[in-house]
Amino acid sequence: RKEVEQDPGPFNVPEGATVAFNCTYSNSASQSFFWYRQDCRKEPKLLMSVYSSGNEDGRFTAQLNRASQYISLLIRDSKLSDSATYLCVVREYGNKLVFGAGTILRVKS
Amino acid sequence: GAVVSQHPSWVICKSGTSVKIECRSLDFQATTMFWYRQFPKQSLMLMATSNEGSKATYEQGVEKDKFLINHASLTLSTLTVTSAHPEDSSFYICSARDGGLADYSYNEQFFGPGTRLTVL
Repeated sequence: RKEVEQDPGPFNVPEGATVAFNCTYSNSASQSFFWYRQDCRKEPKLLMSVYSSGNEDGRFTAQLNRASQYISLLIRDSKLSDSATYLCVVREYGNKLVFGAGTILRVKS
Repeated sequence: GAVVSQHPSWVICKSGTSVKIECRSLDFQATTMFWYRQFPKQSLMLMATSNEGSKATYEQGVEKDKFLINHASLTLSTLTVTSAHPEDSSFYICSARDGGLADYSYNEQFFGPGTRLTVL
């Protein structure tokens, strides 16, 4: 079983749509949780951290459910520039980051 | 934010040659650096973690004699792929953080732009 699992997609959505990604992780001792964004052939970039209380950054909302070991990302009012691969990432003991394989989002006009 | 550079950005080499990739933190001191590898359509996989001035810690399944890591200063780490073969072709990415492994609070890792290695 993969440590961090994501639906690979692709999710093809029109501009303005709302789209949600989910992720599950296997290590209950994981310390912190993040969503990263990776554009084609580029390095990953931190999109936002994820907290149990839920957090929002503009059009992006992230949620963590520790009991279910489940993380989500909601993108509202999708823009063409949101097209990318979204990586679910957990931090384990010793600052080791474990990456999911990513969910591909394609926003079309 | 902090900037991490990698050099070269891409390299093509013949099978059997060694390739050195440099990772530099440009505006902060990187006590800890991480090396990742990403195959097409797969996740980034951590290869090794290094603290400045000490030996790297390799993840299970990563050959330390094949992937030599040197973290000689607080701003530079190098990864040398020795006797590269076509199966080593991948996207190699480094990251750096300002903080040691003993610092369990999270300091963001800053990623380099990656090096695309193609071994013919």
